[in-house]
Amino acid sequence: GENVEQHPSTLSVQEGDSAVIKCTYSDSASNYFPWYKQELGKGPQLIIDIRSNVGEKKDQRIAVTLNKTAKHFSLHITETQPEDSAVYFCAASPTSNTGKLIFGQGTTLQVKP
Amino acid sequence: GAGVSQSPSNKVTEKGKDVELRCDPISGHTALYWYRQSLGQGLEFLIYFQGNSAPDKSGLPSDRFSAERTGGSVSTLTIQRTQQEDSAVYLCASSLGTANTEAFFGQGTRLTVV
Repeated sequence: GENVEQHPSTLSVQEGDSAVIKCTYSDSASNYFPWYKQELGKGPQLIIDIRSNVGEKKDQRIAVTLNKTAKHFSLHITETQPEDSAVYFCAASPTSNTGKLIFGQGTTLQVKP
Repeated sequence: GAGVSQSPSNKVTEKGKDVELRCDPISGHTALYWYRQSLGQGLEFLIYFQGNSAPDKSGLPSDRFSAERTGGSVSTLTIQRTQQEDSAVYLCASSLGTANTEAFFGQGTRLTVV
């Protein structure tokens, strides 16, 4: 079955710097890749997603890139702010007929003021 | 509008007891999912309901775990004869049910087995 690996497990940056989180997946049939942000005591919230027919997607300070050949995708956050501090999860949907998601292990991002 | 609602928010139970966790999905969402999040870990898929189709139970870790979804809305996750390793946050999510649409998560139920 699908397996998603996420790196790094923790990331600390200065406010204003960029942050990059990387994920790899194993199932070439996966075609949907969302990123979730989880703040302490809350459920995960979708921040951006990308589908396998798109190489890059951007939403303000957040961007996601997808390389289907290499089976990896990345989250880029520019001009980081303290409120970006949270745990970020990548995920992959193994088939197009189910919303079942396989999640990475998570990255704890700390943005220092 | 209301989001995904889970109850209770916290549950402490003794080893060997049964527990029921409840999920109220967003109105109109036909797909419902349960995930488990152990301390410092990612989300582990448990079970997926889509409309009237048979649920995908492939993630349930043992036969002590079961889930129902009544009337295509509210879902209950039941853990029988709880063990300490069942301690985790149990998250429910719902979506519109079409392929690859956003899943909205509840805040979870933190289960502690003592």
